Amino acid sequence: RKEVEQDPGPFNVPEGATVAFNCTYSNSASQSFFWYRQDCRKEPKLLMSVYSSGNEDGRFTAQLNRASQYISLLIRDSKLSDSATYLCVPEGGSSNTGKLIFGQGTTLQVKP
Amino acid sequence: GAGVSQSPSNKVTEKGKDVELRCDPISGHTALYWYRQSLGQGLEFLIYFQGNSAPDKSGLPSDRFSAERTGGSVSTLTIQRTQQEDSAVYLCASSPTGTTLAKNIQYFGAGTRLSVL
Repeated sequence: RKEVEQDPGPFNVPEGATVAFNCTYSNSASQSFFWYRQDCRKEPKLLMSVYSSGNEDGRFTAQLNRASQYISLLIRDSKLSDSATYLCVPEGGSSNTGKLIFGQGTTLQVKP
Repeated sequence: GAGVSQSPSNKVTEKGKDVELRCDPISGHTALYWYRQSLGQGLEFLIYFQGNSAPDKSGLPSDRFSAERTGGSVSTLTIQRTQQEDSAVYLCASSPTGTTLAKNIQYFGAGTRLSVL
């Protein structure tokens, strides 16, 4: 089993749509979780940290289910500028190194 | 202040040559990470530094890869006798400490795109 599994997509949605991405992770010792955004040929940038069972930041909602080892990201009212690859990132869970384990990402294309 | 800086931004080399990639982390960040991203793939962890020491080198793919960090700041990733499969984007990230709390974020540089011919 991969350490982090994501549906690569692409998800093609119209502007204004609501879209959800799911992610499962294998390391039950992971304590911290993040969603990063990566634009084409650019470096990853933090979108959200995932606290406790979940949190909301504007149009973005992240949820965490530790029992099922499952993380989700919901984007409401999609904008053209949301087009990017979204990376599910659990922390590596060992020896406090802070190592991040990156999923391959889910690609979102928002169309006019 | 300045973000994470990496140089060169692009590097083309011939198979068998050695290359050095440089990372300047955000000032004051004690933790530094190297990752690489092959075309169409996710990021792969290579090595972690806390200060000048490297407690986690588990991601280095072979003994041709090495890294050092001096003065708790600049880090150099060296690849000896490069092979075509080493072609990738090499990304450096830094964070204030090595422990990942929910708000202890890793900040990435723009990466070095390495092409081995």
